Amino acid sequence: AQSVTQPDIHITVSEGASLELRCNYSYGATPYLFWYVQSPGQGLQLLLKYFSGDTLVQGIKGFEAEFKRSQSSFNLRKPSVHWSDAAEYFCAVGLNNAGNMLTFGGGTRLMVKP
Amino acid sequence: EAGVAQSPRYKIIEKRQSVAFWCNPISGHATLYWYQQILGQGPKLLIQFQNNGVVDDSQLPKDRFSAERLKGVDSTLKIQPAKLEDSAVYLCASSLRREVGLNYGYTFGSGTRLTVV
Repeated sequence: AQSVTQPDIHITVSEGASLELRCNYSYGATPYLFWYVQSPGQGLQLLLKYFSGDTLVQGIKGFEAEFKRSQSSFNLRKPSVHWSDAAEYFCAVGLNNAGNMLTFGGGTRLMVKP
Repeated sequence: EAGVAQSPRYKIIEKRQSVAFWCNPISGHATLYWYQQILGQGPKLLIQFQNNGVVDDSQLPKDRFSAERLKGVDSTLKIQPAKLEDSAVYLCASSLRREVGLNYGYTFGSGTRLTVV
């Protein structure tokens, strides 16, 4: 069965520290991969997406993600976290032949210490 | 461009009551999605429309949930009767059209937070 796993439910980092959020997927083929961020009471905002080509993808707000086919992973990174990055982060995958539906991971809640 | 509009933002109802949510997608977006996000979980697709037709409603609990997009623009999601476990945020999203697949991503609305007591 297709699945998306975000192993870390909560992560706390100090402001200015680096960040890596993990995402693993289980699909028969290479899916389309996305990272979304959700602030409290807000909808989901797209940070970045990967379809093909360069496996290192740059997104908004200084985020990047790296697709590793051998590990079925698409981890999100940021070199220096800001207090405003505190939010919930969702990894999502989709297949074009699956009607464009997105399957989301359970999310990782990021807290930033001053 | 204007984003995906949803209303109401919040709704509190008693179990067994009915409730309806409204979504207006981005202008020109042919594909519309309703997702349910239970607290502490990722969103789960309920139903997908392409224009005014249903593409996928396999995850929609049809005994109590219904959705329509009669004119291929805005959409309504209804729950009747509501259960306690329906408490969640209901997110609407839209994308340009199904044929281009996921290339353009989705745009999500801010959601409707439903509390069933």
